[in-house]
Amino acid sequence: TQLLEQSPQFLSIQEGENLTVYCNSSSVFSSLQWYRQEPGEGPVLLVTVVTGGEVKKLKRLTFQFGDARKDSSLHITAAQPGDTGLYLCAGAPNTNAGKSTFGDGTTLTVKP
Amino acid sequence: DAGVIQSPRHEVTEMGQEVTLRCKPISGHNSLFWYRQTMMRGLELLIYFNNNVPIDDSGMPEDRFSAKMPNASFSTLKIQPSEPRDSAVYFCASSLRVRYNEQFFGPGTRLTVL
Repeated sequence: TQLLEQSPQFLSIQEGENLTVYCNSSSVFSSLQWYRQEPGEGPVLLVTVVTGGEVKKLKRLTFQFGDARKDSSLHITAAQPGDTGLYLCAGAPNTNAGKSTFGDGTTLTVKP
Repeated sequence: DAGVIQSPRHEVTEMGQEVTLRCKPISGHNSLFWYRQTMMRGLELLIYFNNNVPIDDSGMPEDRFSAKMPNASFSTLKIQPSEPRDSAVYFCASSLRVRYNEQFFGPGTRLTVL
């Protein structure tokens, strides 16, 4: 069973601060997704990374896939209250995998 | 294009009653997933279908749970009989399998079993 560990589990910061959350595994993934879930809603796909070392940017969010494709990080610059939510990473073991492994998530609270 | 549609959004029932949750995936997607989310256990995969065929139901808790996908645009998750420990948010998600298993989630059904 492939496991994804996310850290920290909870993070509370002030508006304007920077933060990084991590997603780690001992297994190799062919692709990894990051999702954000707001209260009362389903997870929403933010990004997919597929190449070792790949970096993708989405406005103030920067996603990186580890060189060995076993880990990933999400960095948020100048966090805003609208960034509040549960951030989930999910990995697929191969391109045509039927299912992904989800981490337990990082709950981020950005205070105004 | 409409996203994944789930109904009902909220369900309150009494222990022992049958509960049926419904899902309409995104048109053209060929994989469908049912998840359960709780504070204690996080997001758990219950079952998934490829091209309407159940592929992996190892996450289904027990025989009280069953899922069907009679066609490409509709799936149900049934719990019979329901128990208080089934209380959770149930999500349906769909994906286009060739796209790295990127999943698109519905808004969820919040189930409360009294």
